[in-house]
Amino acid sequence: EPEVTQTPSHQVTQMGQEVILRCVPISNHLYFYWYRQILGQKVEFLVSFYNNEISEKSEIFDDQFSVERPDGSNFTLKIRSTKLEDSAMYFCASSIRTEETQYFGPGTRLLVL
Amino acid sequence: GIQVEQSPPDLILQEGANSTLRCNFSDSVNNLQWFHQNPWGQLINLFYIPSGTKQNGRLSATTVATERYSLLYISSSQTTDSGVYFCAVDFTGGGNKLTFGTGTQLKVEL
Repeated sequence: EPEVTQTPSHQVTQMGQEVILRCVPISNHLYFYWYRQILGQKVEFLVSFYNNEISEKSEIFDDQFSVERPDGSNFTLKIRSTKLEDSAMYFCASSIRTEETQYFGPGTRLLVL
Repeated sequence: GIQVEQSPPDLILQEGANSTLRCNFSDSVNNLQWFHQNPWGQLINLFYIPSGTKQNGRLSATTVATERYSLLYISSSQTTDSGVYFCAVDFTGGGNKLTFGTGTQLKVEL
């Protein structure tokens, strides 16, 4: 069964550094998403992406964040200058159509020191 | 405002027991999904169920969209069922994003 994959599984970085989280969505899916989960809290929506542009973003997704689909398979989330409060599990998801099942990747656990 | 509420927040069961988890939502929905978050943090898709009833093995789910709630049933629980169960909703007109509830933490003991 096709899966969403994410790399790396864990990343530790220093405050102020840039990080890029990578995702490979399911191949025939057209909609892509990033969510995050701070330890012990619920999962929060960050951004959705369709047809090479952002379709929706939350108030969390400020100017420090950006997304890109650099080629036909990868979908990336960049945090330009990490803060301590960016420490969280980041999930990528994809769906074939809007309003259909969103399939989640295994997550990247980011720790900012 | 838009809300997704889950109950109970915590649940402890003996292995073999049955349970019902509830998700209430505040508005009409395009999509409702149930997830199991395992101890490694992975979100496992259980059901896509904006309305109606579905069953998958020992798990089943029912969504009554007109009354704005969904139920997840776990029968003959096993220790591997332990973890957090999340309901997530894509509200109509909400922009194709899932709003997650706060989850039910389930622990199944021998």
